[in-house]
Amino acid sequence: DQQVKQNSPSLSVQEGRISILNCDYTNSMFDYFLWYKKYPAEGPTFLISISSIKDKNEDGRFTVFLNKSAKHLSLHIVPSQPGDSAVYFCAASAWETSGSRLTFGEGTQLTVNP
Amino acid sequence: EAEVAQSPRYKITEKSQAVAFWCDPISGHATLYWYRQILGQGPELLVQFQDESVVDDSQLPKDRFSAERLKGVDSTLKIQPAELGDSAMYLCASSFGHTGELFFGEGSRLTVL
Repeated sequence: DQQVKQNSPSLSVQEGRISILNCDYTNSMFDYFLWYKKYPAEGPTFLISISSIKDKNEDGRFTVFLNKSAKHLSLHIVPSQPGDSAVYFCAASAWETSGSRLTFGEGTQLTVNP
Repeated sequence: EAEVAQSPRYKITEKSQAVAFWCDPISGHATLYWYRQILGQGPELLVQFQDESVVDDSQLPKDRFSAERLKGVDSTLKIQPAELGDSAMYLCASSFGHTGELFFGEGSRLTVL
């Protein structure tokens, strides 16, 4: 049962354009959502998060949008830079039932071309 | 900057052999996690500790995997005997309180031949 899904295994964009990465979830108990970035041979690093009481959170070039009714969130990167090329994982937690434990999606490989 | 330490970074072993991974979380982080990431998939939780106690090991294959955090600080994950399907990246993470943000180590890449 894949509770967090990232349906696009890969995404390629031009430098300076917007990157939009999508994530869907099925567990209605999820109340906190995070995006992690992972370079090859390294562990995932935290990028940005959003609580279920919000619908948008922004941090510099990164913005996460949450649509609870659709059980969908997205990460926008603008402008995209070549250094953003990495695998992006969407993750979610359900504090009441499983505390801080994270459930991850399969990841999306983002490639930003110069 | 504080970080999660893991060793070894890389391990190649033959099937049926024993292998162990070590993790030292960020100082003061009470919660420690072991995740497994198979290539092309997202990390999957194997075991979660709160201090020295196991909170969740429902996805840990207990016939061959074991994990301990005896003093509530560093942790060891063991596989015995290793199987070909165990080839993966083993990631350790820690968190402080209930922020929801996990800090990951660089991982231990296991190859079973």
